[in-house]
Amino acid sequence: AQTVTQSQPEMSVQEAETVTLSCTYDTSESDYYLFWYKQPPSRQMILVIRQEAYKQQNATENRFSVNFQKAAKSFSLKISDSQLGDAAMYFCASTNTGNQFYFGTGTSLTVIP
Amino acid sequence: DVKVTQSSRYLVKRTGEKVFLECVQDMDHENMFWYRQDPGLGLRLIYFSYDVKMKEKGDIPEGYSVSREKKERFSLILESASTNQTSMYLCASSLGPSGNNEQFFGPGTRLTVL
Repeated sequence: AQTVTQSQPEMSVQEAETVTLSCTYDTSESDYYLFWYKQPPSRQMILVIRQEAYKQQNATENRFSVNFQKAAKSFSLKISDSQLGDAAMYFCASTNTGNQFYFGTGTSLTVIP
Repeated sequence: DVKVTQSSRYLVKRTGEKVFLECVQDMDHENMFWYRQDPGLGLRLIYFSYDVKMKEKGDIPEGYSVSREKKERFSLILESASTNQTSMYLCASSLGPSGNNEQFFGPGTRLTVL
């Protein structure tokens, strides 16, 4: 089994500033995939960004980027130019087969106007 | 766009009742999943299915069962609801077994068992 740890239950960021959400994982697999999901209040969970472990280059999606440190088993999410709409619960997840995802406990992000 | 729908957003049931939570996806996905979400515990996998009539236990299957008679529909059944099953239940689907396939989530059902 894989485990995913998010050590920051809550984070806050000033609008237009940058924030980094932490995630560490533990797996014995050599081939695996990592994801960040966003769950806005009372809305559906959506994918923010994904990273294939075999790729050295960090994934980027507009204002969202990851810092993937494979040796340290760390997968942090950086949100640049934070917007009010970024306020949500963020979940880090890992999988190797795609049949079972392992989720962290989530980080609640508040964006301060 | 993939759409995953769940039969109810809010549900209130009595202890001992049999409860059915329905999930339907419209993109011909092979995999479907049921999670429960509790504060501080994240998402925990109850059951998943990778094909019609196939099911696999997740991390917390006790007190639950599932049914997948059609590819697009995955039902979660609480045989005899208990108060400790009060939770948010999320359904998800994904294209297939490749690890690169993201899961698409439904809006969730908030179940309260009195």
